[in-house]
Amino acid sequence: QSALTQPASVSGSPGQSITISCTGTSSDVGGYNYVSWYQQHPGEVPKLVIYEVNHRPSGVSNRFSGSKSGNTASLTISGLQADDEADYYCASYTRSSTWVFGGGTKVTVL
Amino acid sequence: QVQLVQSGAVVKKPGASVKVSCRASGYTFTRNGISWVRQAPGHGLEWMGWINTNNGDTIYAQEVQGRVTMTTDTSTSTAYMDLRSLRSDDTAVYYCARDVGLIAASPDSFGSWGQGTLVTVSS
Repeated sequence: QSALTQPASVSGSPGQSITISCTGTSSDVGGYNYVSWYQQHPGEVPKLVIYEVNHRPSGVSNRFSGSKSGNTASLTISGLQADDEADYYCASYTRSSTWVFGGGTKVTVL
Repeated sequence: QVQLVQSGAVVKKPGASVKVSCRASGYTFTRNGISWVRQAPGHGLEWMGWINTNNGDTIYAQEVQGRVTMTTDTSTSTAYMDLRSLRSDDTAVYYCARDVGLIAASPDSFGSWGQGTLVTVSS
């Protein structure tokens, strides 16, 4: 199972919105509404920020939103804040009943 | 609150085996499946497999199939991940993670994570 494709890095200024893409195939992202996103600060444990494409867990800021179109899912962070600087990983359920992650995107707040 | 507490860091020689534990608390253990995810130093996340904590069914990633066994002890609410024939590229932090949804026939998104266990494979 090949990893999902994410941009290596995305940057934005405080207050701006950024979008991270996650491209897969019809066997994973395109075939199921089971795409999730994880935030990981350096040296810390990953944290779920979006599940089932566009659902936010309790306690996650509504500045985080998810969407999907065809084989590409997206995570949008609006009103960018310094604490949003982290690595972000997408993950998708697959036709093999497994999960596959993206390679990760480093978000920099300028 | 939901807590997953993992065993401590270990160093193993190539060819050896390692067993990492993940003790759950704050919820009914058999109501959510558990996945194992690893992260090599400086690299991304890799899903390794999942266990249905209610009936013991497992699903493994092709990359580790044949070398990994995931089990549970429901009497102690503990999940275990056993990895055999260790190689240097198995050096990673290993995480257990609880399904975000209630138990099903296949793995779900990873809602709560353990603190991670560093496994170093070195001669």
